[in-house]
Amino acid sequence: GEDVEQSLFLSVREGDSSVINCTYTDSSSTYLYWYKQEPGAGLQLLTYIFSNMDMKQDQRLTVLLNKKDKHLSLRIADTQTGDSAIYFCAERSGANNLFFGTGTRLTVIP
Amino acid sequence: SAVISQKPSRDICQRGTSLTIQCQVDSQVTMMFWYRQQPGQSLTLIATANQGSEATYESGFVIDKFPISRPNLTFSTLTVSNMSPEDSSIYLCSVEQSETGAFFGQGTRLTVV
Repeated sequence: GEDVEQSLFLSVREGDSSVINCTYTDSSSTYLYWYKQEPGAGLQLLTYIFSNMDMKQDQRLTVLLNKKDKHLSLRIADTQTGDSAIYFCAERSGANNLFFGTGTRLTVIP
Repeated sequence: SAVISQKPSRDICQRGTSLTIQCQVDSQVTMMFWYRQQPGQSLTLIATANQGSEATYESGFVIDKFPISRPNLTFSTLTVSNMSPEDSSIYLCSVEQSETGAFFGQGTRLTVV
């Protein structure tokens, strides 16, 4: 399968911005996604970006895509304690295959 | 977005036994997917379940260990057979309604003792 890499941990103070990074290897990716997993829960789709876009904003979330460097990031503005979770990036390669990153555990310090 | 319900949400099972996990979707979908998330790790696709045909298994997963049923367009089951402690994981059911997203059930947390 494709390689999708993320750093494992990120800690930020409440009110600061969080930036979660992801790199992938498949240059033919069509869509890239960010999912949130809270403790004991399944995955919640947060946002996605089509590969011909370089930025997408949705309220506190900003997704940046650098297709040349195969780098995806998720910025959470004004991070709150409720944002503490594991964040997975995923890329779509081919018609039906989703490849997930290792997940980044975000801890928000009050 | 689809609403996906999984049962059970968690279970503790004895080694050597089998557990069947159910996944119900609130709309008709062609393909349903089963993932495994081992402790502290990412998601690994086990198999893709199409209604009316055999499930397609990913490398490292076999039908004897993870039999899947897909009797209609809103329901699927995954059985974890002859369990060992290494099968302790979260098992997630998913549907993809378009390129713009895959939706997941809340998962089944399985502990094998």
